[in-house]
Amino acid sequence: GEDVEQSLFLSVREGDSSVINCTYTDSSSTYLYWYKQEPGAGLQLLTYIFSNMDMKQDQRLTVLLNKKDKHLSLRIADTQTGDSAIYFCAEMNNAGNMLTFGGGTRLMVKP
Amino acid sequence: GAGVSQSPSNKVTEKGKDVELRCDPISGHTALYWYRQSLGQGLEFLIYFQGNSAPDKSGLPSDRFSAERTGGSVSTLTIQRTQQEDSAVYLCASSRHRDEQYFGPGTRLTVT
Repeated sequence: GEDVEQSLFLSVREGDSSVINCTYTDSSSTYLYWYKQEPGAGLQLLTYIFSNMDMKQDQRLTVLLNKKDKHLSLRIADTQTGDSAIYFCAEMNNAGNMLTFGGGTRLMVKP
Repeated sequence: GAGVSQSPSNKVTEKGKDVELRCDPISGHTALYWYRQSLGQGLEFLIYFQGNSAPDKSGLPSDRFSAERTGGSVSTLTIQRTQQEDSAVYLCASSRHRDEQYFGPGTRLTVT
């Protein structure tokens, strides 16, 4: 079945850029998403990209999609301590009826 | 505006009891999804409702799990004869289109 992989952990210094990577296997994915989860909280939709795009920018967030390599990344510019959280990438299947999530990347921002 | 709401926020139950979890989707969203998040399994899809169509139950882990959506709005997820491995956070999401799913805060279920 479909599989979404992420590295477990990323540590950066405040003010640096963070890049969180994700790979997926379903070539028929329609949309790819990034969600943020803070401790004890639900999933917050950060941004998403349609599969026929290769880049999307939204303020400090830049999403890059390499459809050939099935690689998705999220870049956070000028990372702040409030960005510390777990970040999940997810793909929407072609039927549009479910998301498959990666295991999440814990981002730690050091002051 | 109001987001997806879920109740209860926390539920502790004894093994073997039945539980009901509730989800109120965002008004106007026709699609509703249930997922669960557990330490060992990450985030897993459970069930999907779209309008008046038959639900996609392909993610339900056993026949002890069932869900209903009444009037195209509120949904309840029922777990019968709960087991300890059912302990998880149960998340509900809704969407208007296929592109954006908005999640509720979840119900943390603990089976003792």
